[in-house]
Amino acid sequence: QLQLQESGSGLVKPSQTLSLTCAVSGGSISSGGYSWSWIRQPPGKGLEWIGYIYHSGSTYYNPSLKSRVTISVDRSKNQFSLKLSSVTAADTAVYYCARYSAVPRYFDIWGQGTMVTVSS
Amino acid sequence: QSVLTQPPSVSGAPGQRVTISCTGSSSNIGAGYDVHWYQQLPGTAPKLLIYGNSNRPSGVPDRFSGSKSGTSASLAITGLQAEDEADYYCQSYDSSLSAPVVFGGGTKLTVL
Repeated sequence: QLQLQESGSGLVKPSQTLSLTCAVSGGSISSGGYSWSWIRQPPGKGLEWIGYIYHSGSTYYNPSLKSRVTISVDRSKNQFSLKLSSVTAADTAVYYCARYSAVPRYFDIWGQGTMVTVSS
Repeated sequence: QSVLTQPPSVSGAPGQRVTISCTGSSSNIGAGYDVHWYQQLPGTAPKLLIYGNSNRPSGVPDRFSGSKSGTSASLAITGLQAEDEADYYCQSYDSSLSAPVVFGGGTKLTVL
């Protein structure tokens, strides 16, 4: 059974870059028909899609974050990563990685989430 | 301001039926794109509850059902149980210049 596990820095200083990794186990990140996504949830608020990367390497980002986001994949390690630059307190959130089914476009498997706090 | 609009909260007594609405527009639900629903229990990650408007993944009780009409969709929960108390989110695809993945703002279900 496919599982996702986020890891990375839990505390990031303002203006620095947030870096997270999502390890995929129980299946291959190169499987066709899926893309690999990041979603975040500020404390007490709703879900916000950050972006995703297809198995081909193509990426799509939320326009509101596009200038600061990079999602990449490391097939040799079966994992994908998120980098968010120039962070502010507004980027404080629980960050989830998730598998996105191409059709009909839903998130079928989620990681447990990791809390990232932006503070000096 | 979420692209998909949900009521902030709904409530019901055990055994009752509740519905949660999700209203979109002509660039998402109204354009024919599917609606999916997620359940987020307190302190946990969201879990896929309904996909493709009305389909339940394996293991989801048939007390949960979904429907879609026009620019809106609904999640219905019958035979309400205490364990159903959670946040519920709808999600769809959007073909406008906004983000292709759009969520509703979420609905807090309270079991009285």
